[in-house]
Amino acid sequence: GAGVSQTPSNKVTEKGKYVELRCDPISGHTALYWYRQSLGQGPEFLIYFQGTGAADDSGLPNDRFFAVRPEGSVSTLKIQRTERGDSAVYLCASSLEGTFRTEAFFGQGTRLTVV
Amino acid sequence: KQEVTQIPAALSVPEGENLVLNCSFTDSAIYNLQWFRQDPGKGLTSLLLIQSSQREQTSGRLNASLDKSSGRSTLYIAASQPGDSATYLCAVLDNYGQNFVFGPGTRLSVLP
Repeated sequence: GAGVSQTPSNKVTEKGKYVELRCDPISGHTALYWYRQSLGQGPEFLIYFQGTGAADDSGLPNDRFFAVRPEGSVSTLKIQRTERGDSAVYLCASSLEGTFRTEAFFGQGTRLTVV
Repeated sequence: KQEVTQIPAALSVPEGENLVLNCSFTDSAIYNLQWFRQDPGKGLTSLLLIQSSQREQTSGRLNASLDKSSGRSTLYIAASQPGDSATYLCAVLDNYGQNFVFGPGTRLSVLP
């Protein structure tokens, strides 16, 4: 596709449930990132993939959060036993080379609401 | 740990004014700096990318400067328009990390 695509655009879930958020990066981009943005704040780093492997997962807040990118393109962010504090916009980005040394392109985000 | 701040937090100006948004970072050992625009409920749109060896970048009515030694960048918007209303975020990539550290953003309103 022409840009980074994220689905769903909105997700409302009950506390304690499991959710999956999907990111389709720009074709050919080897680097993929997940960020989380709370209201009124800048995005905070969660995890970075170079190809299929997680090169840096230091931003994942706890072991309820997990992300995969099995074929080096689409990535899924998985959140177990969701809590109300997980409510945020989850942003995905991709860039042509590893790290953001080339321009970063962001998706529209998935707005997650845990009730 | 790299920290990024942006001043002002919010700005409201009449249409046609030139304006400056400020970004500061604590660790000058950066690889590049990128300015983004975010519209309400939307993702981020890249505006300008400045490599650490560069002093400025220009795109249309936008000009971004970088003073790495003092840990500062400015985004200059000329002849502002109502369509420029959005939140502007700066983000730095340091030489050690593999991800951007974002500032909190400046919320700009341009009044017709």
